[in-house]
Amino acid sequence: AQSVAQPEDQVNVAEGNPLTVKCTYSVSGNPYLFWYVQYPNRGLQFLLKYITGDNLVKGSYGFEAEFNKSQTSFHLKKPSALVSDSALYFCAVRDMNGGATNKLIFGTGTLLAVQP
Amino acid sequence: EADIYQTPRYLVIGTGKKITLECSQTMGHDKMYWYQQDPGMELHLIHYSYGVNSTEKGDLSSESTVSRIRTEHFPLTLESARPSHTSQYLCASSELASNSPLHFGNGTRLTVT
Repeated sequence: AQSVAQPEDQVNVAEGNPLTVKCTYSVSGNPYLFWYVQYPNRGLQFLLKYITGDNLVKGSYGFEAEFNKSQTSFHLKKPSALVSDSALYFCAVRDMNGGATNKLIFGTGTLLAVQP
Repeated sequence: EADIYQTPRYLVIGTGKKITLECSQTMGHDKMYWYQQDPGMELHLIHYSYGVNSTEKGDLSSESTVSRIRTEHFPLTLESARPSHTSQYLCASSELASNSPLHFGNGTRLTVT
């Protein structure tokens, strides 16, 4: 069965410092991986995805994520955090070998707090 | 900026009332979804659709029902609201391809008193 884990409920970082939001996954086949961001009182917004190819993918608002197959991870990163990056971040995975059951599975979310 | 619209944004209603949460998208997406987001912020899939006249139950048992008579419209109905239905409801849509991201509406926050 496929699953995704975000081990940190909250990440605190000072403005200007690099940030990392962790995500690990478990699938039986090849994964499609996604990151979404949710601002207060809003729906989720798509940030970036890994489908195939280059392990480092770049997305919106200066975010990037690195796919690591051996560690089954897809951590979200940004070189310099902004206060406006403070939001709830969700990792999601779809098992491409799951056939009819290849649903999108969301992690439990990580709250990112960037202090000025 | 949203191409997927949910109404109402907020709803406070008494126990036993019938309610319909509206969701419409203008992107021509075949797939549509309803998620329930609990206070801990976890997302639970409650219904989805692959296209017109297609509806499926999701992973979380729900007393709600959905319909998909038109591609752009995917309303969710609660026949008799209860306090346990108090939650945030998020509608989403996507293209059929499995590598397509979901596009979310801004949600309906439902409170049942």
